[in-house]
Amino acid sequence: GAGVSQSPRYKVAKRGQDVALRCDPISGHVSLFWYQQALGQGPEFLTYFQNEAQLDKSGLPSDRFFAERPEGSVSTLKIQRTQQEDSAVYLCASSPGREQPQHFGDGTRLSIL
Amino acid sequence: GESVGLHLPTLSVQEGDNSIINCAYSNSASDYFIWYKQESGKGPQFIIDIRSNMDKRQGQRVTVLLNKTVKHLSLQIAATQPGDSAVYFCAETPPPGFQKLVFGTGTRLLVSP
Repeated sequence: GAGVSQSPRYKVAKRGQDVALRCDPISGHVSLFWYQQALGQGPEFLTYFQNEAQLDKSGLPSDRFFAERPEGSVSTLKIQRTQQEDSAVYLCASSPGREQPQHFGDGTRLSIL
Repeated sequence: GESVGLHLPTLSVQEGDNSIINCAYSNSASDYFIWYKQESGKGPQFIIDIRSNMDKRQGQRVTVLLNKTVKHLSLQIAATQPGDSAVYFCAETPPPGFQKLVFGTGTRLLVSP
């Protein structure tokens, strides 16, 4: 069956530009998560949605990062005024609920020049 | 392409050996644990999970052991195959919320034919 789909797979932007990353979760999954993975490290939590409600955004690095899931399905992670330190792989995961496995997409690799 | 885990601990085994990957988790109140496999350019792939009220769980060729006394997880892979070569991460779900995943450092498994 279809897994978590993320687009674009690669994004190159100049410092100061805004970017938007899309996540299509597994159909019917209530929970959606965004993680950031730096080279050579494990993923780090950014934010979490249950349906359309953003229940935890404690991992967002700054107010330049914004996520939404307006209809409880597709989610977008937006980064405004990008900086070089934003370069990373951004991973999206979805799960049916608590104590259920999170299934990950293959991520968007963001490079800020 | 870029590699996940350029400077991670590495476990090298021969094809057919049994592999044991260890992980120390950080929060004694975490109630759910997962092992993921990550190949270069891919998102983490779910392997096996275990709840905190269990100390052992078996899957196909894999076993996870949980020792809550010392906050230790291990992943045992039987009859390791070259296709098992990847970076392996453990993850926990700590309070509050018990939703977001907190990942361990990761271990690179190299399987020689």
